[in-house]
Amino acid sequence: AQSVSQHNHHVILSEAASLELGCNYSYGGTVNLFWYVQYPGQHLQLLLKYFSGDPLVKGIKGFEAEFIKSKFSFNLRKPSVQWSDTAEYFCAVNANNAGNMLTFGGGTRLMVKP
Amino acid sequence: NAGVTQTPKFRVLKTGQSMTLLCAQDMNHEYMYWYRQDPGMGLRLIHYSVGEGTTAKGEVPDGYNVSRLKKQNFLLGLESAAPSQTSVYFCASSLVNEQFFGPGTRLTVL
Repeated sequence: AQSVSQHNHHVILSEAASLELGCNYSYGGTVNLFWYVQYPGQHLQLLLKYFSGDPLVKGIKGFEAEFIKSKFSFNLRKPSVQWSDTAEYFCAVNANNAGNMLTFGGGTRLMVKP
Repeated sequence: NAGVTQTPKFRVLKTGQSMTLLCAQDMNHEYMYWYRQDPGMGLRLIHYSVGEGTTAKGEVPDGYNVSRLKKQNFLLGLESAAPSQTSVYFCASSLVNEQFFGPGTRLTVL
C-alpha cells in the first residue's frame, strides 16, 4: 500500500517569508497528486492538483507545487506567505491501482505571524 | 449547489451509545467516502462507496458501518461508541479523482 509523508509537522513563518512544504510518497507507478488546505474550523479545500503534463502546477492563492518523479516528491511552495495562509496543509496521492482512493499525509500545520 | 453537507456538526456520546452521521451531496457524484481526522495522522479512510447500493471497507473500518441507499446520501453508523472514536469525521464525494469535502462532524465519546 502506498504511503505519504509530510516531514514538517509544524511550521512557523513571518509574513512575506517564502514557504516550502515537503511531500513524499511511496508508490512507484503512475500517480495523481493533490494538496488540500484546511483553514481553522473549516473543511478541506483543494489548493492544486497534478494529473499529467507540466510538472510545475499552479494553484489558487499564489501556491504552486512541483512534481519530481525521480524523487517521489510533490512539494508545495509560495514565494511570500500572508497571515491568512495560516492553516493545515495536506498532501494526498491517488495511485493508478487504487481506483479513486486518496492516501493522505499527516498534515503540516502552518502558522504565519503578522 | 450546497455541495457536500453533513449533519450533525457536533455530538457528544457516552460509551456504548449509538448514532448515525448523515452525508448528502447534490453534485450527482458516484463515489462517496467517510474519513476520520486525528491530530498528526491526516485523514484516514473508514468506508467508501462506488455507487448507490455499494459499500466497501477503507483503512480503519472497525466499529463503523455504512449504507448508501440513495445516490446522494452516505450514512456512517456507530453501533456502540468507544472513546477511541472521538474524532472529526469528514465526508467527501467525487466524480473521478478530485474529492470534495463536507464541513465535518466533531464527535466526542465520553
